[in-house]
Amino acid sequence: EAGVAQSPRYKIIEKRQSVAFWCNPISGHATLYWYQQILGQGPKLLIQFQNNGVVDDSQLPKDRFSAERLKGVDSTLKIQPAKLEDSAVYLCASSPQGAAWQETQYFGPGTRLLVL
Amino acid sequence: AQTVTQSQPEMSVQEAETVTLSCTYDTSENNYYLFWYKQPPSRQMILVIRQEAYKQQNATENRFSVNFQKAAKSFSLKISDSQLGDTAMYFCAFRSDNAGKSTFGDGTTLTVKP
Repeated sequence: EAGVAQSPRYKIIEKRQSVAFWCNPISGHATLYWYQQILGQGPKLLIQFQNNGVVDDSQLPKDRFSAERLKGVDSTLKIQPAKLEDSAVYLCASSPQGAAWQETQYFGPGTRLLVL
Repeated sequence: AQTVTQSQPEMSVQEAETVTLSCTYDTSENNYYLFWYKQPPSRQMILVIRQEAYKQQNATENRFSVNFQKAAKSFSLKISDSQLGDTAMYFCAFRSDNAGKSTFGDGTTLTVKP
């Protein structure tokens, strides 16, 4: 079974530029998560999708971050414009069913973003 | 809001020894779930062990076991017979029952020394 795929793996941009990250979850997984992991901290949930609907985006800075999951499969996370404090690893995870607690989250390798 | 605290930023252990990583959490919920995730230097995070709050019996997975103290809101991870491959950052995570949202601690970096 293929794991969660993310691209790109690394990205360096100047502040005020835009950037987009892509995630392909494990086939058949209904729930998809985007996390921001700042160096030295634990992952912080940005947004959670159930199929193509948003379950939780309470910690997503909506003035600059946006995410979509068209057709309930792949997802993209966009930052526009980027700030220095957005430098972090962006992790995508998926789980097989809905928001049931017992679902294990399967994580991708992450995209490391550096904003200069 | 739930909070998860890992008070040990870094720990080390000799190969084959036992080590315990601490985690405390704060919640007003009665039904919830706790997890330990491992993040090796390659950064792909994987689940180590999980515990349902309604279960009194502590979870065990091979060399990994937990000490779940619900009243004290404590959830520690014990690694027995430590191996070099256990070197990683370990995250404690809380997941509420109804929302399914996970809250992670800031992690403990564990180094297993040969």
